[in-house]
Amino acid sequence: GAGVSQSPSNKVTEKGKDVELRCDPISGHTALYWYRQSLGQGLEFLIYFQGNSAPDKSGLPSDRFSAERTGGSVSTLTIQRTQQEDSAVYLCASSFRGALETQYFGPGTRLLVL
Amino acid sequence: QKEVEQDPGPLSVPEGAIVSLNCTYSNSAFQYFMWYRQYSRKGPELLMYTYSSGNKEDGRFTAQVDKSSKYISLFIRDSQPSDSATYLCAMSTNYGQNFVFGPGTRLSVLP
Repeated sequence: GAGVSQSPSNKVTEKGKDVELRCDPISGHTALYWYRQSLGQGLEFLIYFQGNSAPDKSGLPSDRFSAERTGGSVSTLTIQRTQQEDSAVYLCASSFRGALETQYFGPGTRLLVL
Repeated sequence: QKEVEQDPGPLSVPEGAIVSLNCTYSNSAFQYFMWYRQYSRKGPELLMYTYSSGNKEDGRFTAQVDKSSKYISLFIRDSQPSDSATYLCAMSTNYGQNFVFGPGTRLSVLP
């Protein structure tokens, strides 16, 4: 079946603008994760959704970052008033049931804030 | 000290060599250990998944976990140019929701 998809694949924006990144998880996967990967850095956990439970937002770096997941499927990560340090690859992953299950990653969205 | 440490490389080896990739960690509560391979401009893909200590083999890949030393390894036998990628270790606790990733080791296998 289809894997995790993300859009856009690349995004260039100006400092101060808002951006929305989209993730379509694998059908049937109840858990969805957002990570950020900066050059030379490991994956930084941002937020985790499991079914209809309240999301774990413990990794969001500031209140400019928010995410929602509609209908337990598609997720959108929103960054408001973008800053240059927000430039990174934003990766989405999904898994069948949650934290202890294998995560399948999307190709990522490359965000560049000028 | 970072929670998970990994030599960033780059590591260059000739084709056919045995490659050893390693991670150390500080949280003794980690129980699940994973290795991901990430090609340039792609998302990570899971290679190996092990629980607690011991070895696990899958084709040319062997994952080894030594919880007493807080040290995990991935061995690649008969390395191929197609193995050239960044290798990320990741780990999680029994009851945690966060997977903690190492920064990755960049591997180049030269033909």
